[in-house]
Amino acid sequence: KQEVTQIPAALSVPEGENLVLNCSFTDSAIYNLQWFRQDPGKGLTSLLLIQSSQREQTSGRLNASLDKSSGRSTLYIAASQPGDSATYLCAVDQNAGNNRKLIWGLGTSLAVNP
Amino acid sequence: DADVTQTPRNRITKTGKRIMLECSQTKGHDRMYWYRQDPGLGLQLIYYSFDVKDINKGEISDGYSVSRQAQAKFSLSLESAIPNQTALYFCATQQGDYNEQFFGPGTRLTVL
Repeated sequence: KQEVTQIPAALSVPEGENLVLNCSFTDSAIYNLQWFRQDPGKGLTSLLLIQSSQREQTSGRLNASLDKSSGRSTLYIAASQPGDSATYLCAVDQNAGNNRKLIWGLGTSLAVNP
Repeated sequence: DADVTQTPRNRITKTGKRIMLECSQTKGHDRMYWYRQDPGLGLQLIYYSFDVKDINKGEISDGYSVSRQAQAKFSLSLESAIPNQTALYFCATQQGDYNEQFFGPGTRLTVL
């Protein structure tokens, strides 16, 4: 059974710091991995999607990497800003035949302090 | 305007009441999903639909039903609400396979 773990559960950093959020999964048979941001009252926003054949994706100050063999993904945020404060979730698209679904981590709550 | 909308945004109801949550999308996506989010449990899939004639149960479908009235509309019903259905409910859309899912703003449901 696929399990997705995100460490740390919470993180507080000063503005301007570069930081790394971690996501690990137990079954490497995935189609892709997606990183989301969740803001209170605003639902989830897709940040980056990495297909199983890819090693990384970049969008602005965000860079996500994927190492299927070790069951790990990282989300790197450069030059963090207070507006980056949110909960970051990762989800893997499980390769399970007709029973397709995303398996979610519990998220990392990030606070960037001015 | 938002691409994926959910109504209502907040709802308080009593045990035993029938509740319908609605989701509409203007993205033209074929796939739609309903999730619930509970503190400490992450998101769990309730139902999903790959097109208008396709409805599939997710991991926690008991106590829920859905209707895909059109490609753009996917409704979730609680026939007889119970307190442990108090949660944040999200609708999501996806175009085809292997692509991003896009989420609505969520509906916060409280069952007293």
